Amino acid sequence: GQNIDQPTEMTATEGAIVQINCTYQTSGFNGLFWYQQHAGEAPTFLSYNVLDGLEEKGRFSSFLSRSKGYSYLLLKELQMKDSASYLCAAMDSNYQLIWGAGTKLIIKP
Amino acid sequence: DAGITQSPRHKVTETGTPVTLRCHQTENHRYMYWYRQDPGHGLRLIHYSYGVKDTDKGEVSDGYSVSRSKTEDFLLTLESATSSQTSVYFCAISESDRDTGELFFGEGSRLTVL
Repeated sequence: GQNIDQPTEMTATEGAIVQINCTYQTSGFNGLFWYQQHAGEAPTFLSYNVLDGLEEKGRFSSFLSRSKGYSYLLLKELQMKDSASYLCAAMDSNYQLIWGAGTKLIIKP
Repeated sequence: DAGITQSPRHKVTETGTPVTLRCHQTENHRYMYWYRQDPGHGLRLIHYSYGVKDTDKGEVSDGYSVSRSKTEDFLLTLESATSSQTSVYFCAISESDRDTGELFFGEGSRLTVL
């Protein structure tokens, strides 16, 4: 079956760095996506990886290892506004997105 | 701004009644999607559309139907609502001309079925 695993909840301190991990199992693979969702709001696209390696975008970076079925989202210089859920999604061979349940990130002062 | 609006934003209804949710986009994007989001679950695809009158089922399509008679509107209908369909429903579009994973979501419609 197809599956995405990510931690349910993480806590970090303002100004620190946090890494949110995601492992996936899909039938075929056409990319790994990260979305941010603030409470009560819609998800918004953060990043896309299809090749192995690190993609950096400001304070956020996303890493992919296709051989390990593994990705992480790295958030640096955490700000209170980064408190949100982070959704990992993998695209299978039929170009369907398989979504994880999300990781709720709590930022403490 | 992808220009997506959903209506209604909130609805409370009773079991057995029909419900229609509307998704409207202001640009002529080809791909539109309906998802539901429930605690402890990832987003789950209900139906999607790749053009006028072209729709297909997602992983949780039972109990739902869709229609797309105009490019800008994608309607989701619950013919006879059940309590298990209490959820937050998100419409999404792909700004690309093909099915990609970079989606833009509407603000969501919170449906409660009593």
